[in-house]
Amino acid sequence: DSGVTQTPKHLITATGQRVTLRCSPRSGDLSVYWYQQSLDQGLQFLIQYYNGEERAKGNILERFSAQQFPDLHSELNLSSLELGDSALYFCASNRAGGSTGELFFGEGSRLTVL
Amino acid sequence: DQQVKQNSPSLSVQEGRISILNCDYTNSMFDYFLWYKKYPAEGPTFLISISSIKDKNEDGRFTVFLNKSAKHLSLHIVPSQPGDSAVYFCAASGAPGQDSGAGSYQLTFGKGTKLSVIP
Repeated sequence: DSGVTQTPKHLITATGQRVTLRCSPRSGDLSVYWYQQSLDQGLQFLIQYYNGEERAKGNILERFSAQQFPDLHSELNLSSLELGDSALYFCASNRAGGSTGELFFGEGSRLTVL
Repeated sequence: DQQVKQNSPSLSVQEGRISILNCDYTNSMFDYFLWYKKYPAEGPTFLISISSIKDKNEDGRFTVFLNKSAKHLSLHIVPSQPGDSAVYFCAASGAPGQDSGAGSYQLTFGKGTKLSVIP
């Protein structure tokens, strides 16, 4: 158990819809990262938040947005969903300035868009 | 443009033998390299890392080798055990905190290699 909690574990929805994925980081971790893993792909970095503020952006579509709340949990909002958005979405966290660079991953949220 | 490449999607090894997983990278700014292991229905878990100032790091049965001039790293598992069967991801980044400020650590991942250890 990494200590990172993601909900929901599975989600099935239709094209054009909007969903919200939730992540609670490990206790004490200030940074939250979102990654997307599509079929046969590696983990693609989407976005990072640090202590409530956006810190870095990766390959995140404009239809996607995220935020980190004062209690440090984070939400990833996916809108106008397309079939190609079907993927595993992972949240990870670590402490600020972690020297090992180790990220702690949640179990992921599997999104299926029909 | 794939900056971290794992060219072998899968690898099968007999129990007790050595498993060697390979990874190549193209970005010369990468300074820190990690291996993650992923079991089905679980998130990736950190396995071992190496910084560019070293060429080898060992942790029990796991050893990571880094050849900076060739932009290549490898993970050796000796001896391999059936419980090692998983997908292994290679990841790389700049030095901690240098990507975009304190607390930032963006990892670029490869596509993974599925290791099967046969009893």
